[in-house]
Order: sequence, then C-alpha cells, then structure tokens
Amino acid sequence: DGGITQSPKYLFRKEGQNVTLSCEQNLNHDAMYWYRQDPGQGLRLIYYSQIVNDFQKGDIAEGYSVSREKKESFPLTVTSAQKNPTAFYLCASSMSGRGYTGELFFGEGSRLTVL
Amino acid sequence: GENVEQHPSTLSVQEGDSAVIKCTYSDSASNYFPWYKQELGKRPQLIIDIRSNVGEKKDQRIAVTLNKTAKHFSLHITETQPEDSAVYFCAASSEYSGAGSYQLTFGKGTKLSVIP
Repeated sequence: DGGITQSPKYLFRKEGQNVTLSCEQNLNHDAMYWYRQDPGQGLRLIYYSQIVNDFQKGDIAEGYSVSREKKESFPLTVTSAQKNPTAFYLCASSMSGRGYTGELFFGEGSRLTVL
Repeated sequence: GENVEQHPSTLSVQEGDSAVIKCTYSDSASNYFPWYKQELGKRPQLIIDIRSNVGEKKDQRIAVTLNKTAKHFSLHITETQPEDSAVYFCAASSEYSGAGSYQLTFGKGTKLSVIP
C-alpha cells in the first residue's frame, strides 16, 4: 500500500529540547516537503528537497533542520531555536520531471505540543 | 515571492446551495492553481486544479475558474452536501526550470460548513 507515513502522530516536548519528526514515503517520489499548519494560517513551507542530498529553505525555515540521505526519507528536526514550535506538521511528496501533474501527496501529520 | 489571498475565511451554506471561494495571487508568472480539501483530522487532498492556459475546469459538482488578467481564481461547489464540509485551500505556483518542479504557496484556507 503506497503512501506517506509520518510519526509520531502526537508528540510532547519540553522547552529547550530538540525533537525529530519522521517522514517516509514509498511512492518513489523525488521531491519531499515539510509544511507547518497553524489555525487560520494555511500551510507554510518549512523546507523542501527535490533530490537526495539536496534541500532548500522554505518561507519559515528558522529553527528547523532537515536531511535527505535517502529518497524515501525526509526527517524534520524542530530545534530549541524555534520560538513557537507548537503546531501541526505535514510532510508531502510529489513526482518531478516531465509529465509531472503538480499534485502533492500529504502524510497524516504530526501534532507537536511544547509544554 | 508569491502571495495568495483567500476569502472568505469561513462560509456557511444550506445543503443544496452553491458555495464560492475566491483567491487572488500576486506573481504573474504563476501558472498552476490547485485546490486542496482537508476534512477534520485528515490530510489535505487535491480536489481540482487548473493551469494558466485554461479558463475553466469542471469535475462533477466542482468547478474552478481562472482570470489571468485580474490574477484571481475561484472554486465553485454546486448542490452542496454535508460531506463537503471541510477546510479548502487554494494555492499558486509556477513551474520553474521547465523541469516539472513546483513550489506551492497556499492561501490561509476557508472553513466551509454545509448545514443539513
């Protein structure tokens, strides 16, 4: 069954701690993305990666870090430098190249709460 | 960069009525405009999209229109049903480098409630 898997679904963190959110896809997609969703704010791009070992900052990258060591995996680390980390985080993937339709496929999301 | 404004933020309609959500974009280079639906507690899913070489696209009860001159596009849902209740997001993007890669900028979303 193909798709995108995010874990954990819920995560609690104390202030000052780093936390890593997992995102795995078996759709053979080249591109992967991390979005942050806050009430009334829509989806804001944190980081994206078009290919293995390469990634770019999105609109709100400060306080976050990513890696793309494998095509299937794109973990997001929320560092202690992120001032307001409590949010719902969505991972997505897409095809790229000629013939790509533009559709993003999203995971179920991870809800991070900082205590 | 691209800026996408979406209105209204909330919309309530009676079952069977039509619903219209409007978005404007700032970057004239944008050429791809998808709409995503997010039901409560679920992931966003693409419901319809339109490219800049088309003025209107329809899929059963859902249609999207695009006015490139005015830089706005709209989602139209006819004969609304309770299962249409969700948050709807518009987005805009340009295909860069001709490589089939897109970077979407999303609107802030519209919460649609269909009242039975």
